Amino acid sequence: GAVVSQHPSWVICKSGTSVKIECRSLDFQATTMFWYRQFPKQSLMLMATSNEGSKATYEQGVEKDKFLINHASLTLSTLTVTSAHPEDSSFYICSARAYITGVGEKLFFGSGTQLSVL
Amino acid sequence: AQTVTQSQPEMSVQEAETVTLSCTYDTSESDYYLFWYKQPPSRQMILVIRQEAYKQQNATENRFSVNFQKAAKSFSLKISDSQLGDAAMYFCATAQGAQKLVFGQGTRLTINP
Repeated sequence: GAVVSQHPSWVICKSGTSVKIECRSLDFQATTMFWYRQFPKQSLMLMATSNEGSKATYEQGVEKDKFLINHASLTLSTLTVTSAHPEDSSFYICSARAYITGVGEKLFFGSGTQLSVL
Repeated sequence: AQTVTQSQPEMSVQEAETVTLSCTYDTSESDYYLFWYKQPPSRQMILVIRQEAYKQQNATENRFSVNFQKAAKSFSLKISDSQLGDAAMYFCATAQGAQKLVFGQGTRLTINP
């Protein structure tokens, strides 16, 4: 089946630094990827939609200058948390849209990245 | 705008018994999909079952089945013969096609041996 690799699994950084999270579709091309954030014991909240070759579409209330998304190829989207602060500590999850012959469109999730900002 | 509501923060069931998780939703879309996802302690999101709104027949995947009531905008998940490995957070979600998902608050399911 389709696999989405997300890296790193966890990262600890100092306040004020930037962190990059990668989301790769390993065996399919994903023109669209989605980035979610999940706080402890809460649901997943969509942050942005990442489109290959164009600017990401951000959900209301998400700072695009703080959460930089780049989707430079059909298999890679990156989320960079700039000038991270403790309140940015969260679990970040990506998903990629794939078209499966005979099934149609499906979403595949990465394994998530736990970000802890000190 | 789409919204999903799961009114049961926690549920528990005896192993081998049946449990039903509730979900209601609201959407202005005429063509949409409904999903149940499982999130175990590893936090990997796992698709449990998917329902196309235009299909009247309830989706079934082995021990998992849904009761889709379109007029009532209700989409409950029934787990039969519960197993210890079913313990997880369960999220109900809706989307137009395989687009961005809108998730409910989640239900934590505990399986009692």
